[in-house]
Amino acid sequence: DAKTTQPPSMDCAEGRAANLPCNHSTISGNEYVYWYRQIHSQGPQYIIHGLKNNETNEMASLIITEDRKSSTLILPHATLRDTAVYYCIVRVANSNDYKLSFGAGTTVTVRA
Amino acid sequence: DTEVTQTPKHLVMGMTNKKSLKCEQHMGHRAMYWYKQKAKKPPELMFVYSYEKLSINESVPSRFSPECPNSSLLNLHLHALQPEDSALYLCASSQEGGIFAYEQYFGPGTRLTVT
Repeated sequence: DAKTTQPPSMDCAEGRAANLPCNHSTISGNEYVYWYRQIHSQGPQYIIHGLKNNETNEMASLIITEDRKSSTLILPHATLRDTAVYYCIVRVANSNDYKLSFGAGTTVTVRA
Repeated sequence: DTEVTQTPKHLVMGMTNKKSLKCEQHMGHRAMYWYKQKAKKPPELMFVYSYEKLSINESVPSRFSPECPNSSLLNLHLHALQPEDSALYLCASSQEGGIFAYEQYFGPGTRLTVT
């Protein structure tokens, strides 16, 4: 699986967009980008995933560069409840492999 | 219902005790997972069940014994644990296979302390 690189931490102002970068320069053509977050003392929460097209759901948007070597998770209007550790994970969608490997992630602090 | 429930929320046990963690989901998912998370570290996969059969064991010590009695339930039996086994134990579930295997729904976890 491709390795991902994320900044260890970032701050964001409440009400502003939070843009979380992820570098996956060794990604292969059949690997998806997944984002999860973990709010303190809770289980991780699936946010979004994509292959090469930009994706949007009720939680966030995922922008993947044309060469697929990096992506950005966008929280359009950050709230204090978005304070969490955000994990970017790259996985081949192999039906025989269920392993989700979490890296260190980015600790996002939303400030009032 | 997109909820995964885990009981108990907190558990304190001695090294000679036997206890069990329980996990339940009613989303019709046929893959279920146990993860272990130490403080300030990311979750680490322990076991995967697919269609009630053990699919992956990440070389977990035998003092942890998983069980999947049916498609909605997942247990983790604990025996003769060590203090270093103290951690947050997370259960998750997903649809089976392919890209769906990585859209995992997690429970809130059981915080285990071994004394």
